[in-house]
Amino acid sequence: QKEVEQDPGPLSVPEGAIVSLNCTYSNSAFQYFMWYRQYSRKGPELLMYTYSSGNKEDGRFTAQVDKSSKYISLFIRDSQPSDSATYLCAMSEEAGGTSYGKLTFGQGTILTVHP
Amino acid sequence: NAGVMQNPRHLVRRRGQEARLRCSPMKGHSHVYWYRQLPEEGLKFMVYLQKENIIDESGMPKERFSAEFPKEGPSILRIQQVVRGDSAAYFCASSPRQENTIYFGEGSWLTVV
Repeated sequence: QKEVEQDPGPLSVPEGAIVSLNCTYSNSAFQYFMWYRQYSRKGPELLMYTYSSGNKEDGRFTAQVDKSSKYISLFIRDSQPSDSATYLCAMSEEAGGTSYGKLTFGQGTILTVHP
Repeated sequence: NAGVMQNPRHLVRRRGQEARLRCSPMKGHSHVYWYRQLPEEGLKFMVYLQKENIIDESGMPKERFSAEFPKEGPSILRIQQVVRGDSAAYFCASSPRQENTIYFGEGSWLTVV
């Protein structure tokens, strides 16, 4: 079993739809949760960063973390064709020692938003 | 304000040759991380370096791979005697201090023929 599971999709939605992307994980030591967006042949771009459980909103993006269920989500409201990319969830254990920057990624979900 | 710079962006090597990938972190960043993205797989941590020090190399293959971040100049990921299985995208990331918010470069795509 992988430490982080992410449905690879692909996911295709019409412009303006609400998109829900999800990851589950098995390592209860994960405390930091991130979402990255990656366009084809480009580097991952940090979208959202959350510590422990709860919600965080930034513009059209909302990140949710439910540590009791080991489940995280990213919601995109009013999706646009420019949101078409691969979305990667990433997690890290409690900071300290050599844990910094040592992220465990999901496989990524390919999202297409069509006009 | 330049981001993380990686070069070369694309590199083709024959089996048995050496590959050197370079990474210049963002200005003011002294912590560098290397990740590898194999086809159909997610990003995997390889190594974490600070200036002149390897902090965590738990994700590095035991043989043929090495990394350095000298006092002056870019970080280098070196792969000796490349094999076809080394074909992948190699990403460098950096941060200004010990933290989990890291910023990735555009990647170096290595193809071994």
